[in-house]
Amino acid sequence: AQSVTQLDSHVSVSEGTPVLLRCNYSSSYSPSLFWYVQHPNKGLQLLLKYTSAATLVKGINGFEAEFKKSETSFHLTKPSAHMSDAAEYFCVVTNYNQGGKLIFGQGTELSVKP
Amino acid sequence: NAGVMQNPRHLVRRRGQEARLRCSPMKGHSHVYWYRQLPEEGLKFMVYLQKENIIDESGMPKERFSAEFPKEGPSILRIQQVVRGDSAAYFCASSPDRGRETQYFGPGTRLLVL
Repeated sequence: AQSVTQLDSHVSVSEGTPVLLRCNYSSSYSPSLFWYVQHPNKGLQLLLKYTSAATLVKGINGFEAEFKKSETSFHLTKPSAHMSDAAEYFCVVTNYNQGGKLIFGQGTELSVKP
Repeated sequence: NAGVMQNPRHLVRRRGQEARLRCSPMKGHSHVYWYRQLPEEGLKFMVYLQKENIIDESGMPKERFSAEFPKEGPSILRIQQVVRGDSAAYFCASSPDRGRETQYFGPGTRLLVL
């Protein structure tokens, strides 16, 4: 069975300061991991994905995430927050040998203060 | 290349009516996934379809819900005799192959049951 735990339901940062959104996963198989972002009343946009290549993954808009197998973590970071980063972020796990359905975390709401 | 399209974007139904949600995958994509997002929750997998076939419906409620992806035309998620608990955002995603391909999401249909 696979699952994802996002450790913070809400994170608040000031503009220009670093962002850290935490995610731990559980998977019986080699997982593929994703971060998606959802702006209010919008669809989901892929930020980045890990599929067993480099453990440090760079995504769009300056975000990156590091896959740490020993810690079963896939935390999302950004060096400097921008007001436009305010949104809901979802950590997602899947295993394509199991059909490819995505398993979502509960989400972390990121607020950015001016 | 147009993205995943969903319509309607908003749908209001009274209890007992039927809701039909449509999803047109990206051009060249033959795999469609439906997810439901209840208020204040992450997305939950419902069903995975290929053209004319249901591959995995393990997330579908046992009654009132059905899905199809015909040879021609969009994928349809059908909810019969809607109840207030069906109020949610329904997202469709498509991918070109069930291998290690990313799922691309549509903007969602927000269903409100009065």
